[in-house]
Amino acid sequence: GAGVSQSPRYKVAKRGQDVALRCDPISGHVSLFWYQQALGQGPEFLTYFQNEAQLDKSGLPSDRFFAERPEGSVSTLKIQRTQQEDSAVYLCASSLIASTDSYEQYFGPGTRLTVT
Amino acid sequence: QKEVEQNSGPLSVPEGAIASLNCTYSDRVSQSFFWYRQYSGKSPELIMSIYSNGDKEDGRFTAQLNKASQYVSLLIRDSQPSDSATYLCAVNMGGGGNKLTFGTGTQLKVEL
Repeated sequence: GAGVSQSPRYKVAKRGQDVALRCDPISGHVSLFWYQQALGQGPEFLTYFQNEAQLDKSGLPSDRFFAERPEGSVSTLKIQRTQQEDSAVYLCASSLIASTDSYEQYFGPGTRLTVT
Repeated sequence: QKEVEQNSGPLSVPEGAIASLNCTYSDRVSQSFFWYRQYSGKSPELIMSIYSNGDKEDGRFTAQLNKASQYVSLLIRDSQPSDSATYLCAVNMGGGGNKLTFGTGTQLKVEL
């Protein structure tokens, strides 16, 4: 079946612009996660949804970052007034199981954001 | 101290050999452990999950977990050049959330 999809795959923004990154999870997956990956580092957690509820946003680096999943399926990560330090790959992952001690997360291809 | 630690490598092994990748984590209540493979310029791909102490085998891959020592490892038997990638260890540290905490990854190079 279809995996997690993300768009755009690449985004170049001028400093100060707003950007919106989209994630379409695997059909039927309840949980959706956003991660940020800097070059040479492992992914860092940003935020987590269970259906349409945002249960954890502790990883969002500033109030310029905002995520939503209004119908419990597609999610959008929005970054306002982009800064150079926002340049990274933004990864979306989804998992089937809502809450348990065991689950598996599957990643989309990512969006590479470059802020100039 | 990072919560999930891996040797960044590169770890070089000859083709056909066993590659051993190691990971330690700081939180004793961690319950779920995962290994992801990431090729350069690509996103992480899940290759193994392990939840209880002991070994779990899947094809050429074996994950080993020792919760008392807070240690998880990945063995790759009969290593192939196509196994050359960065291997990321990820841990669900519990605390009520489902987020994963990743190590920085170990770069594996399988040489002909």
